[in-house]
Amino acid sequence: QSALTQPASVSGSPGQSITISCTGTSSDVGSYNLVSWYQQHPGKAPKLMIYEGSKRPSGVSNRFSGSKSGNTASLTISGLQAEDEADYYCCSYAGSTTGVVFGGGTKLTVL
Amino acid sequence: EVQLVESGGGLIQPGGSLRLSCAASGFTVSSKYMSWVRQAPGKGLDWVSLIYSGGNTYYADSVKGRFTISRDNSKNTLYLQMNSLRAEDTAVYYCARFTVTGIFFDYWGQGTLVTVSS
Repeated sequence: QSALTQPASVSGSPGQSITISCTGTSSDVGSYNLVSWYQQHPGKAPKLMIYEGSKRPSGVSNRFSGSKSGNTASLTISGLQAEDEADYYCCSYAGSTTGVVFGGGTKLTVL
Repeated sequence: EVQLVESGGGLIQPGGSLRLSCAASGFTVSSKYMSWVRQAPGKGLDWVSLIYSGGNTYYADSVKGRFTISRDNSKNTLYLQMNSLRAEDTAVYYCARFTVTGIFFDYWGQGTLVTVSS
């Protein structure tokens, strides 16, 4: 069982927006603004999409955005495109003893 | 350009040992924090180990005492020595560069598959 809870799947049509939630506790997501999000296409390595909750690395489309409220972080993808179909994982700092924890992953299907 | 290339995976019997390598280019391994993250077949990501630029090492409870992370600065290569392997260690193992100021993995290798089975 993963430390962070994500929905197993979400779907949307091209052009629509979707949001993936990542629920933790006051010991991880709720205590730090240090959530990152990763995109993983089948058979490929994860790719960093969002870090420090809402920052985008160079080269990542501005259609991807991150936010947090309380113990829940969210990844929003606007203007869905077929290439966005992938698995998405959240990750949070959980203190010096635990280190980092991942969510179980969410499969995004573009209809 | 930053690149990470893992090698060393394969089929190993329970109780056996294996050493994974991660050759880095485009940056110096010894100046960065480096990590191993694994993914069991059909499952999510699972942090395994971390080595600080200063040499301190950290492990997930599930591998503590069995796995050892290290690096060879002359070869700019990261390693993961895995002993007493169990079926539940079966996974694709990724090496990843870790940014400690923001707590995120910014570059990942393509992964190497470790299968523990008799």
